[in-house]
Amino acid sequence: QVQLQESGPGLVKPSGTLSLTCAVSGGSISGRNWWSWVRQSPGKGLEWLGEISHSGSTIYNPSLQSRVTISVDRSKNQFSLKLTSVTAADTAVYFCARFVTATSHFDYWGQGSLVTVSS
Amino acid sequence: QPVLTQSPSASASPGASVKLTCSLSSAHSSYSVAWHQQRPDEGPRYLMNIFSDGSHTKGDGIPDRFSGSASGAERYLTISSLQSEDEADYYCQTWGSGIVVFGGGTKLTVL
Repeated sequence: QVQLQESGPGLVKPSGTLSLTCAVSGGSISGRNWWSWVRQSPGKGLEWLGEISHSGSTIYNPSLQSRVTISVDRSKNQFSLKLTSVTAADTAVYFCARFVTATSHFDYWGQGSLVTVSS
Repeated sequence: QPVLTQSPSASASPGASVKLTCSLSSAHSSYSVAWHQQRPDEGPRYLMNIFSDGSHTKGDGIPDRFSGSASGAERYLTISSLQSEDEADYYCQTWGSGIVVFGGGTKLTVL
């Protein structure tokens, strides 16, 4: 069974860069599926940030496109998120997930990583 | 892009059944929709993907108490024999015009 685990700093200063990594186990990051980042602000719903294929093709949420970069490291079976120029509004739990391209849905999720933006 | 609409809340008693609704924007009524469960302080869990003809595919280990159906632009998640552990937020999700879209979520309370 595929498992995903987020990791990274839990505290980022305003105007800084948020960086998270998602380690994939139980399956290869290579293949037809894509790999996504989703976030959830406190008490709010889910917001899709973007996704990446194993070859490095990316699609981003237009509302965040100028600040988001997703990258993949096939040798480590992991992918990463960078979000620049963060503000308090970027405080959220960040989830990584596998996106099944054939049927356009997420089938495996990480447990989430809380990132707080504060000085 | 598609828009998904969910009622903010629902409630039912233990042992009863509840039917949650996810409404697609009319121009996207043929789209498939996935349902995800999020228990308090947990990450989401994939439940099933529902197609416009009502057929559905479930995630690993999802009990038979969870079923899906469709009618027009509506995609339904039915939970029967409700248990306390079913108390959670339920999100529907689809994809269109190159982006992923989520509904606002339904908070299910098992009274």
